[in-house]
Amino acid sequence: NAGVTQTPKFQVLKTGQSMTLQCAQDMNHNSMYWYRQDPGMGLRLIYYSASEGTTDKGEVPNGYNVSRLNKREFSLRLESAAPSQTSVYFCASGGAGANYGYTFGSGTRLTVV
Amino acid sequence: DQQVKQNSPSLSVQEGRISILNCDYTNSMFDYFLWYKKYPAEGPTFLISISSIKDKNEDGRFTVFLNKSAKHLSLHIVPSQPGDSAVYFCAATPGAAGNKLTFGGGTRVLVKP
Repeated sequence: NAGVTQTPKFQVLKTGQSMTLQCAQDMNHNSMYWYRQDPGMGLRLIYYSASEGTTDKGEVPNGYNVSRLNKREFSLRLESAAPSQTSVYFCASGGAGANYGYTFGSGTRLTVV
Repeated sequence: DQQVKQNSPSLSVQEGRISILNCDYTNSMFDYFLWYKKYPAEGPTFLISISSIKDKNEDGRFTVFLNKSAKHLSLHIVPSQPGDSAVYFCAATPGAAGNKLTFGGGTRVLVKP
């Protein structure tokens, strides 16, 4: 099925550990995004990539890095995880279109202990 | 500084009645607005959108109203069904100026049978 695939679905890290969240889309979209969802805070943009080869900071980029590996793949890396990064992470992609809507992945639930 | 706010974190409504969800924004550059629906353990899915050149958009049981002067939009669900129980996010974008979405904090809707 066409869409956005995120891996892993769940992860528990110890403080200071690193990990990479993977995201791939097969809709030939130019733009890809990483959001985090926290209770009462909605979805906050971490980083985005408007096209292959470009990345930009969003609202809450501190503690994260990203790589737009190719048009399909956009990964999010936590170099040294902190408890404040406990959250649900969503990857999304968006193409040119009238409704500016995104397609989201099913999320990665990350707990940092 | 939240540019998109959903002031009601939760809403409970009887099946068959109307659900009204509200959203306020502060950024005058926003000219396209969207509603997303999210079930537990899934990513948000696009529900309905409206351009700033309109004041109403309807899609089946879902209608979005936009009041630009008040910087306010609302989502009406009529009639509400138990399957509508979910978290609803309001989102806004400057559209052609850059299609990053800014989300509100979400409203959890519970439709009672």
